[in-house]
Amino acid sequence: ELKVEQNPLFLSMQEGKNYTIYCNYSTTSDRLYWYRQDPGKSLESLFVLLSNGAVKQEGRLMASLDTKARLSTLHITAAVHDLSATYFCAVDISGYNALIFGKGTTLSVSS
Amino acid sequence: GAVVSQHPSRVICKSGTSVKIECRSLDFQATTMFWYRQFPKKSLMLMATSNEGSKATYEQGVEKDKFLINHASLTLSTLTVTSAHPEDSSFYICSASLLAGESTDTQYFGPGTRLTVL
Repeated sequence: ELKVEQNPLFLSMQEGKNYTIYCNYSTTSDRLYWYRQDPGKSLESLFVLLSNGAVKQEGRLMASLDTKARLSTLHITAAVHDLSATYFCAVDISGYNALIFGKGTTLSVSS
Repeated sequence: GAVVSQHPSRVICKSGTSVKIECRSLDFQATTMFWYRQFPKKSLMLMATSNEGSKATYEQGVEKDKFLINHASLTLSTLTVTSAHPEDSSFYICSASLLAGESTDTQYFGPGTRLTVL
């Protein structure tokens, strides 16, 4: 059974600080996704990581993938309040985009 | 970019009634669509994979007779919650890939439908 584990599940940060969210998965997968969800809203796609060593950056967020370790990280640089949301990683189990999600990391950034 | 819509966005119904939720890909054809449900402050759980012109593939533990999925065309999939009960109250989200079986790099999610069963 494929398991996707995120940690931490809750993260309270101060503005300007850096932090990393971790995503471990239990079986081989070709694709790993990161999504953002605001309260009461659907998912916003952040990153898709397709190969070992892939690194993508958008603004203050950077995602990386180590397929050998089955680990992806989402690094937050100099956090700002607008980044407060829940972040999910998800793994494609079939090659057809049927995704298994982690439990999500709820990020709260305060000044 | 690719847009996926859902209708309705919110629905409140009485216990025992059936509710239909529509998922449409507005500017692309989606051979495969997916249905997820999300409980408050929880993660998304894949319910089923919907393929145009064939029967949906349900995940373990999801009752196919309760959650009827019809993928009538390349732009429309519907989820019908039959004989709804309060425990069916949830946030239902659909998604679509641009092409089935391809190494697409993005899956597009609909805005979700919040179902409340009284």
